[in-house]
Amino acid sequence: DIQMTQSQSPLSASVGDRVSITCRASENIDTYLNWYQHKPGKAPKLLIYAASNLQSGVPSRFSGSGSGTEFTLTISSLQPEDIATYSCQQIYSSPQSFGQGTKLDIK
Amino acid sequence: QVLLQESGPGLVRPSETLSLTCTVSSEFNNNYYWGWIRQTPGTGLEWIGYVFYNGDTNYNPSLKSRVTISLDTSKNQFYLSLKSVTSADTATYHCARGVTEIATSQSWFDPWGQGILVTVSS
Repeated sequence: DIQMTQSQSPLSASVGDRVSITCRASENIDTYLNWYQHKPGKAPKLLIYAASNLQSGVPSRFSGSGSGTEFTLTISSLQPEDIATYSCQQIYSSPQSFGQGTKLDIK
Repeated sequence: QVLLQESGPGLVRPSETLSLTCTVSSEFNNNYYWGWIRQTPGTGLEWIGYVFYNGDTNYNPSLKSRVTISLDTSKNQFYLSLKSVTSADTATYHCARGVTEIATSQSWFDPWGQGILVTVSS
């Protein structure tokens, strides 16, 4: 099974900061990588699919990059509403798997 | 806008069966597949499995012996059954719509339901 490992959690940043969250796969997953945002009591939200494609309706300050085993979710200018947990998901091979989540909070 | 809503008991006794329903507001058709994912504070998100509109299923091997996912197209609903539960199955359970991009085989879950907390306790 493919293991997904994310940046240390929690991650603290200030409003306006550029924030990067990393996700590493235990083996090559090409670009079969998605990013989700989730907040307590709310439905998780798809942000990025296929490593770098911005889901419709998601603010352009979010972007994704990477391929193979290393991936990055970047928020270009952190906003208060971005406080959440972010998880990556690989769908390259079954069983699909998620990272453990990176909790982002305000410094 | 498609909405998904989980329902079911919030408390299940150990060794019993957890049963949840996901109701889909619209577009419940064979263009998608329908999945269950759970979230625990310590380990993050865990994929449980999914069902295709024709009833075919795919399960996480770690849960396969205890899981059944099914659907009722006449009710716009799909279901999760997890038997012989223990405290390790205490989690927030989400249902979600699976989307596949045919040309690339890329796939993702969107949208998700907000989740239902299920506690396993006597």
